[in-house]
Amino acid sequence: EDQVTQSPEALRLQEGESSSLNCSYTVSGLRGLFWYRQDPGKGPEFLFTLYSAGEEKEKERLKATLTKKESFLHITAPKPEDSATYLCAVQVRARGSARQLTFGSGTQLTVLP
Amino acid sequence: EAGVAQSPRYKIIEKRQSVAFWCNPISGHATLYWYQQILGQGPKLLIQFQNNGVVDDSQLPKDRFSAERLKGVDSTLKIQPAKLEDSAVYLCASSARTSGGVHEQFFGPGTRLTVL
Repeated sequence: EDQVTQSPEALRLQEGESSSLNCSYTVSGLRGLFWYRQDPGKGPEFLFTLYSAGEEKEKERLKATLTKKESFLHITAPKPEDSATYLCAVQVRARGSARQLTFGSGTQLTVLP
Repeated sequence: EAGVAQSPRYKIIEKRQSVAFWCNPISGHATLYWYQQILGQGPKLLIQFQNNGVVDDSQLPKDRFSAERLKGVDSTLKIQPAKLEDSAVYLCASSARTSGGVHEQFFGPGTRLTVL
């Protein structure tokens, strides 16, 4: 069974204090790993897709990396507006057109001014 | 480009009542998904449509949940009768295939259902 585990469950940072969120996965045949941001009362907002080990992607203060077993979301010099829940999800090779995402439980990030 | 639209945003019902949610995907997206997100958890897939056909409904509680996507665009998800444990946010997403061969899914704002 495909499993996605995110850590820590919650993280509090001071503004400007860089850190990393972890997403470890156990799947059979990874097609892609996705990072989403979710604000309270809203749907997940797409951030990145990573396809293969060694790949990196950046967007403003966020950088996502991927290995064969885990992905990291690095947050450099965070600001209070980066506060949100960050979700990791995997899509696996499946028969036919099935394209479901298997999500982790998320990391709730709070950045204090 | 308009995003995924959902309505209503909030719904409160008594247990054993019925409820329906509506979703309009991003224009041109052939694939549509319904997810259930319980507080503190990641979304869990209920059903996936490709155009107006069901691709995967293995995790849909078919004794009480039903979904349809007539004409391959809008979709409705229905719960009848509702149970207390159905209290959750119901998310609709749509996707199109990327050049990398995966489907990047874009989510609507969700409908928060409370069953009393």
